[in-house]
Amino acid sequence: AQTVTQSQPEMSVQEAETVTLSCTYDTSENNYYLFWYKQPPSRQMILVIRQEAYKQQNATENRFSVNFQKAAKSFSLKISDSQLGDTAMYFCAFANSGYALNFGKGTSLLVTP
Amino acid sequence: GAGVSQSPSNKVTEKGKDVELRCDPISGHTALYWYRQSLGQGLEFLIYFQGNSAPDKSGLPSDRFSAERTGGSVSTLTIQRTQQEDSAVYLCASSLRSSGRHEQFFGPGTRLTVL
Repeated sequence: AQTVTQSQPEMSVQEAETVTLSCTYDTSENNYYLFWYKQPPSRQMILVIRQEAYKQQNATENRFSVNFQKAAKSFSLKISDSQLGDTAMYFCAFANSGYALNFGKGTSLLVTP
Repeated sequence: GAGVSQSPSNKVTEKGKDVELRCDPISGHTALYWYRQSLGQGLEFLIYFQGNSAPDKSGLPSDRFSAERTGGSVSTLTIQRTQQEDSAVYLCASSLRSSGRHEQFFGPGTRLTVL
């Protein structure tokens, strides 16, 4: 069975600062995909960033980047220059060839002025 | 273009009643997924449709839950004889498998409350 663990239920960061959200996963698969989704109070799940396991280069999307450590099965999300609009639940998710997403329980991020 | 839409946005029902939740995926997306998000929990996979293939029902929690996808587009999730533990947000997602990107696009969800 695949599991995704987010060890930080809640985090807080000041505007313009950098914050890192942790995620570890467990799988016996070699080919898989990792995602970070953002869920603001509106409930809409928004894809933040994705990473293919076969790619060694860490994915980046503007202020969002990941630190993908395949051997350690770690996939952390770094948010640079945090903005008030980044306040949301962040979910780490894993998908293998079965395609259904396995989600962690989420990290609630609060960006303060 | 239009994203994934779900209806109703909110549904309140009495224990024992049946409910139907609707999902309209992004046009052209061949894959459709249903997930359940219970209070304080992550998202739990329920069922997956891909084209004309038999659906993957491995996540359905009981035989009270069923889903259909008509014409490869709209999907309906039906919960029979609802129980209070069915109260949750039900999220639908769609993806274009042929893109190879494996990313799923989510709808706004239906919040189900069973009294």
